Amino acid sequence: EDKVVQSPLSLVVHEGDTVTLNCSYEVTNFRSLLWYKQEKKAPTFLFMLTSSGIEKKSGRLSSILDKKELFSILNITATQTGDSAVYLCAVEATSGTYKYIFGTGTRLKVLA
Amino acid sequence: KAGVTQTPRYLIKTRGQQVTLSCSPISGHRSVSWYQQTPGQGLQFLFEYFSETQRNKGNFPGRFSGRQFSNSRSEMNVSTLELGDSALYLCASSTGGGEKLFFGSGTQLSVL
Repeated sequence: EDKVVQSPLSLVVHEGDTVTLNCSYEVTNFRSLLWYKQEKKAPTFLFMLTSSGIEKKSGRLSSILDKKELFSILNITATQTGDSAVYLCAVEATSGTYKYIFGTGTRLKVLA
Repeated sequence: KAGVTQTPRYLIKTRGQQVTLSCSPISGHRSVSWYQQTPGQGLQFLFEYFSETQRNKGNFPGRFSGRQFSNSRSEMNVSTLELGDSALYLCASSTGGGEKLFFGSGTQLSVL
């Protein structure tokens, strides 16, 4: 059965800290891995990763995929209170049609 | 370009009733998928519609059903509501060709 596991489940840090969020997967017919940020209701897209070893960056956020070891990490440097959210990892699989398997998310709280 | 619109935002029902949720995708998107989100469970996939046809289905009972109209708008219906159906129901749209998902703000359903 396809599964996506995120760790840690929750994390509390202080502003300025650097955090690393983990996502491991066991999915048949892997196509891509996506990261989303969910602050209130609607998850918003952060990154889509398809190739191993290529880091994607957006400001203080970066992510990388390891297709051999089947995991991805999301790094946030110099955290701010506005980074407080649930971070969701999803793996896109394809076998004729496309489906997305989500992890349970990591709840990040950044204290001022 | 307007985003994904879900209505209503909040809904309170009692056990045994039925409910219909609506989702209007981003213009030009032909795929609409539905997810149930409960605390600690992450996003659980319900089903996906593409060009009015159900393309994928998750492991939910038959009380959960959906449909998609020719303008790509989608509805989800839950019959004979149970307390455990209380959740945030998220709709996501995409081109359907394996691209990132765009989420709506969800419908928060409470079953009393």
